[in-house]
Amino acid sequence: AQSVAQPEDQVNVAEGNPLTVKCTYSVSGNPYLFWYVQYPNRGLQFLLKYITGDNLVKGSYGFEAEFNKSQTSFHLKKPSALVSDSALYFCAVRDAGFNKFYFGSGTKLNVKP
Amino acid sequence: DTAVSQTPKYLVTQMGNDKSIKCEQNLGHDTMYWYKQDSKKFLKIMFSYNNKELIINETVPNRFSPKSPDKAHLNLHINSLELGDSAVYFCASSQAGGQGVYFGAGTRLSVL
Repeated sequence: AQSVAQPEDQVNVAEGNPLTVKCTYSVSGNPYLFWYVQYPNRGLQFLLKYITGDNLVKGSYGFEAEFNKSQTSFHLKKPSALVSDSALYFCAVRDAGFNKFYFGSGTKLNVKP
Repeated sequence: DTAVSQTPKYLVTQMGNDKSIKCEQNLGHDTMYWYKQDSKKFLKIMFSYNNKELIINETVPNRFSPKSPDKAHLNLHINSLELGDSAVYFCASSQAGGQGVYFGAGTRLSVL
């Protein structure tokens, strides 16, 4: 079965510092991996995806994610955090066979001025 | 144009009532979903439809009945609402291939 895990409920970082939000995955076959962001009282918005190719994937709002097959990880990163990045972040994996998405439990990112 | 739109945005109702949430997508996607997000923000899939056919039903109580009149619409009807049904319900859609899933803005259901 496909699954993703986000080990941190919350990540705190100061504005201007680099941020990392962690995600590990478990899939059979090639992974289709995604990151989504949810702002308060909003739906989830797509940030970036990894299907194949370069291990470093660039996405919206300056975010990027690094796919590491040996560690089965897909951590979200940003070189310099903004207060406006404060939100809930979800990692997801797609079960291509069933066109079904499995979401992690979410990580709340707090960026302090 | 909103890609995935759902109505209503808020729904406040009494226990035992029946209510419906409507969803429409204009992305031309073949697959639509209902997700439930609980108070701890955990996101759980409830149903998935592909071209009007039910393909995923994740052990949801049969008080919840999805209906897909066409591939652009997926409605959710809930009978005999219970307190535990209070949550945010998200409609979503996707297309086959390596694409992601697109979410509506959510319907916040409060059962009193």
